[in-house]
Amino acid sequence: AQSVTQPDIHITVSEGASLELRCNYSYGATPYLFWYVQSPGQGLQLLLKYFSGDTLVQGIKGFEAEFKRSQSSFNLRKPSVHWSDAAEYFCAVGANNAGKSTFGDGTTLTVKP
Amino acid sequence: DVKVTQSSRYLVKRTGEKVFLECVQDMDHENMFWYRQDPGLGLRLIYFSYDVKMKEKGDIPEGYSVSREKKERFSLILESASTNQTSMYLCASSSRRSTNEKLFFGSGTQLSVL
Repeated sequence: AQSVTQPDIHITVSEGASLELRCNYSYGATPYLFWYVQSPGQGLQLLLKYFSGDTLVQGIKGFEAEFKRSQSSFNLRKPSVHWSDAAEYFCAVGANNAGKSTFGDGTTLTVKP
Repeated sequence: DVKVTQSSRYLVKRTGEKVFLECVQDMDHENMFWYRQDPGLGLRLIYFSYDVKMKEKGDIPEGYSVSREKKERFSLILESASTNQTSMYLCASSSRRSTNEKLFFGSGTQLSVL
């Protein structure tokens, strides 16, 4: 069965600092990997996704993620965090293009002024 | 602007009531999903549908049922609401036709069962 682990429940960074959110997955084949962001009171919005090809993927809002098969990881990064990035972030793994995804428990990001 | 619309943002119901949560998408998507979101548990899949009149159980279907009579509408039904069904419910849709697959989410329905 597929599963996703986000080891950090809550992360606090200063505005302008770099950010890395961790995601580890368990899946029997080549996974489809996603990062979503949820701002307070909102649904989830896709930041980026990996299906195949280049293992470093660029997303919206200046985010990027790197797929590392050897480590079963898909960590999300941003070089300089903005106050508007404060939100909850979810990593997800999907079996195929049908969209049935398994989500991690989420990481809440707080941004200090 | 593409949309997934959930009929209620907040809902308060009593134990034992029958509850309907409605979701409509305007993107002609084949796939529709119901998730519940609880603090510390992330999103858990309740039911999903790949086509009209088709439904499949997700990871936590107990206490829920669904209806998909039309392609654009996917309803989640709580036959007899219980307090442990107090949660945020998220509807999502996706297309099977696109190779750039992703889920589109509604804004959620916060359900409180008293």
